[in-house]
Amino acid sequence: ETGVTQTPRHLVMGMTNKKSLKCEQHLGHNAMYWYKQSAKKPLELMFVYSLEERVENNSVPSRFSPECPNSSHLFLHLHTLQPEDSALYLCASSHAANTGELFFGEGSRLTVL
Amino acid sequence: DQQVKQNSPSLSVQEGRISILNCDYTNSMFDYFLWYKKYPAEGPTFLISISSIKDKNEDGRFTVFLNKSAKHLSLHIVPSQPGDSAVYFCAASGNAGNMLTFGGGTRLMVKP
Repeated sequence: ETGVTQTPRHLVMGMTNKKSLKCEQHLGHNAMYWYKQSAKKPLELMFVYSLEERVENNSVPSRFSPECPNSSHLFLHLHTLQPEDSALYLCASSHAANTGELFFGEGSRLTVL
Repeated sequence: DQQVKQNSPSLSVQEGRISILNCDYTNSMFDYFLWYKKYPAEGPTFLISISSIKDKNEDGRFTVFLNKSAKHLSLHIVPSQPGDSAVYFCAASGNAGNMLTFGGGTRLMVKP
């Protein structure tokens, strides 16, 4: 298996649920990212991990909690979300210090009821 | 305030003609620019990039032009093909880093 894989591809959850999004990369990269794509909005960077340490957190609400147990895996733990959090969540990876080329997964489409 | 803007949400072009997608930025610290293409139900894929030390970069049918004084870049696709129909995002970063700022995207439709 190659590239960046995200699971689940689709997720529907209530506001009181706790769920997690998973991302796995098989590219030997050292940096991983979570992006959010809402309708009619640009991709928004949420979290960046480089060498398993969080290096960027763009003022994301605490109801989103990332976890990077190793350089190949990235999780986004979700709890008490709001309907406006419904969006496409994209994971990406890159070499830790490359020229900006990110490799994206196919995304997890989240719907919060 | 959006630092990277794609003012045309959609563009329709006839097959074989040139497609020109535009992107404007406001942050003068940006020095590396990229274009990504996104098909439905797929993640964005890297298409082409340009460093601020250049004003043009070409890769097959795709050419990116950078006008630093105008803080403007464009992607030219020629000839356009129906398979090019997708959403195109421009992105920018400073100091050749990985913290990309994306534009809102332009949906390109190439008609046979």
